[in-house]
Amino acid sequence: QSVLTQPPSVSAAPGQKVTISCSGRRSNIEFNYVSWYQQFPGTVPKLLIYDNNKRPSGIPDRFSGSKSGTSATLGITGLQTGDEADYYCGSWDSNLSEVLFGGGTKVTVL
Amino acid sequence: EVQVVESGGGLVQPGRSLRLSCSTSGFTFGDYAMSWVRQAPGKGLEWVAIVRSKRYGGTSDYAASVRGRFSISRDDSNSIAYLQMDSLRTEDTAVYYCSRGILIERSDAYQVWGQGTDVTVSS
Repeated sequence: QSVLTQPPSVSAAPGQKVTISCSGRRSNIEFNYVSWYQQFPGTVPKLLIYDNNKRPSGIPDRFSGSKSGTSATLGITGLQTGDEADYYCGSWDSNLSEVLFGGGTKVTVL
Repeated sequence: EVQVVESGGGLVQPGRSLRLSCSTSGFTFGDYAMSWVRQAPGKGLEWVAIVRSKRYGGTSDYAASVRGRFSISRDDSNSIAYLQMDSLRTEDTAVYYCSRGILIERSDAYQVWGQGTDVTVSS
């Protein structure tokens, strides 16, 4: 069981918005940065968001990140069929001295 | 072009050892922390270990599940990171990815990933 908690799945129609939550503790999400990754089946994870809300070069602004207290959220607007993938949050945990990942959320475009 | 290539995976019996290598190019290896992340078949991402740059002390940290059995190291002169895995267990079966953070000073936010190397622990 992951220390960072994500919903197993979320879904929405094309063009709509989805949000994925990531719940943790003060020792990880609240006191450290959150990152988000996208992974298609059989491929390597891709960094979407770092430092809670920053996008690496080349990541479209349809993807956004936010954080409040011990929770973080990934938002995807203008949902496309090509966004169907697994999404993971990650954060350093100061107590454990480990990087923690959430269990992953599968996004389905209806 | 920034590249990370893992090697050394394979089939190994429980209790045995394996050493993974992560060869890199296209960036100043000595400036960055290097990490290993694994993914068991059909499962999510699991962080394994990190070795920091010498500028940040060259220290390492490990996931609780591998602490005391795995050892991470780096060879800055050849731009290679290693993961020595001892006392392997069936639950260590996974694809092992070598990764690099997006920021020099940080231990997370992995922007650069290799294609991964398969490790299967089975008798």
